[in-house]
Amino acid sequence: KAGVTQTPRYLIKTRGQQVTLSCSPISGHRSVSWYQQTPGQGLQFLFEYFSETQRNKGNFPGRFSGRQFSNSRSEMNVSTLELGDSALYLCASSLLAGANYNEQFFGPGTRLTVL
Amino acid sequence: EDKVVQSPLSLVVHEGDTVTLNCSYEVTNFRSLLWYKQEKKAPTFLFMLTSSGIEKKSGRLSSILDKKELFSILNITATQTGDSAVYLCAGVPVSNFGNEKLTFGTGTRLTIIP
Repeated sequence: KAGVTQTPRYLIKTRGQQVTLSCSPISGHRSVSWYQQTPGQGLQFLFEYFSETQRNKGNFPGRFSGRQFSNSRSEMNVSTLELGDSALYLCASSLLAGANYNEQFFGPGTRLTVL
Repeated sequence: EDKVVQSPLSLVVHEGDTVTLNCSYEVTNFRSLLWYKQEKKAPTFLFMLTSSGIEKKSGRLSSILDKKELFSILNITATQTGDSAVYLCAGVPVSNFGNEKLTFGTGTRLTIIP
């Protein structure tokens, strides 16, 4: 069974640009969560999607948005990039929404660098 | 605001040593604490602790939660070079119809010297 895949693996953007990251969950998984990881702040929850609906949202500005498609693939968009958005963006998939952390699998992440 | 603090920030030990990693938390409506191992990039789940005083074990790893003192420890005995990783803990609040949010610590970087 293929794991969680994220594309692209690396991105370099400049301030003010926007970026779209993609996450394909494990086949059959319907929940996708997104996280931002920086050295200073650690891993921070962005949002969770389940069955094309945003179920949870973390404390991030509206520049961060996402969506989920009918095939459970999810995209995350960051508009008007700032230097502080440089981070590793991880997505995680699980079969069900919510507290199935022992059955939540992380992807390899997308490393975003904003210059 | 919920907060999770891990200590030490980094730890370097020799193969075969035993290590204890600490995680203290302040989470409103606390439900569970999670431990993850992060090698390279993707964190992998280790333990979920919900009840105080009940040790969870997986091979050489074990963890316990103290809900009175608001902390958890992760023990690794007879460490191996493959244990080198960043260990993350996260506090989980009671779900509230979509307001469930994890709060992660910044991690402990463990390095095992052969």
